[in-house]
Amino acid sequence: QPQLQESGPGMVKPSETLSLTCSVSGGSITETSYNWVWIRQPPGKGLEWIGRVYLSGQTDSSPSLKSRVSISVDTSRNNFSLKLRSVTAADSAVYYCVRTYATSIHAFDIWGQGAMVTVSS
Amino acid sequence: QSALTQPASVSGSPGQSITISCTGTSGDVDKYNLVSWYQQYPGKAPKLIVYDVNKQPSGVSNRFSGSKSGNTASLTISGLQAEDEAEYFCCSYAGYATWVFGGGTKVTVL
Repeated sequence: QPQLQESGPGMVKPSETLSLTCSVSGGSITETSYNWVWIRQPPGKGLEWIGRVYLSGQTDSSPSLKSRVSISVDTSRNNFSLKLRSVTAADSAVYYCVRTYATSIHAFDIWGQGAMVTVSS
Repeated sequence: QSALTQPASVSGSPGQSITISCTGTSGDVDKYNLVSWYQQYPGKAPKLIVYDVNKQPSGVSNRFSGSKSGNTASLTISGLQAEDEAEYFCCSYAGYATWVFGGGTKVTVL
């Protein structure tokens, strides 16, 4: 069972770019059965799907965040990353990196522990 | 793309069964049999407990079961136990390679 671990700054200033990396251990990110996802959860609120990256580097993202989101995969480092531009206080949340199946099971089965990111000057 | 609608809270006594609803639209829950449910304890990451409406991942208690009718999916917890006190989120495929979650339901065991 692979493990996922988010890393990155815990605080970002308004209008700047939030950057997080998810390191995958105990398994290869190049395993073709899986895609890789970012999900966030503002304090005390529900979950929000941010986007997904495929091994090919192709991405899908939430329509509400599409203009500000970039997700990429680095197979040499066995990790994938999230960049969210022009952040505001509304982007303060716990950010989870998550594994999902490419085809067979349509759900998010392995989650990182989450990284709290606060947007504040 | 709006969030799915869940009741804020549901409670029950040990041994009882409770059901959590998750209401979507004709563009998500109604259209696709791709609803999943997650259990989350405070300060912890969510855990997958039901996928593809009514399938269980290996290792998950069979006290959790899912169903769907039209644009409403449901999670039933039978034989409620103290350890089931947590927050539960539903999620549905929403088309165009996107996903939408519910706002979450806090389950209290009385």
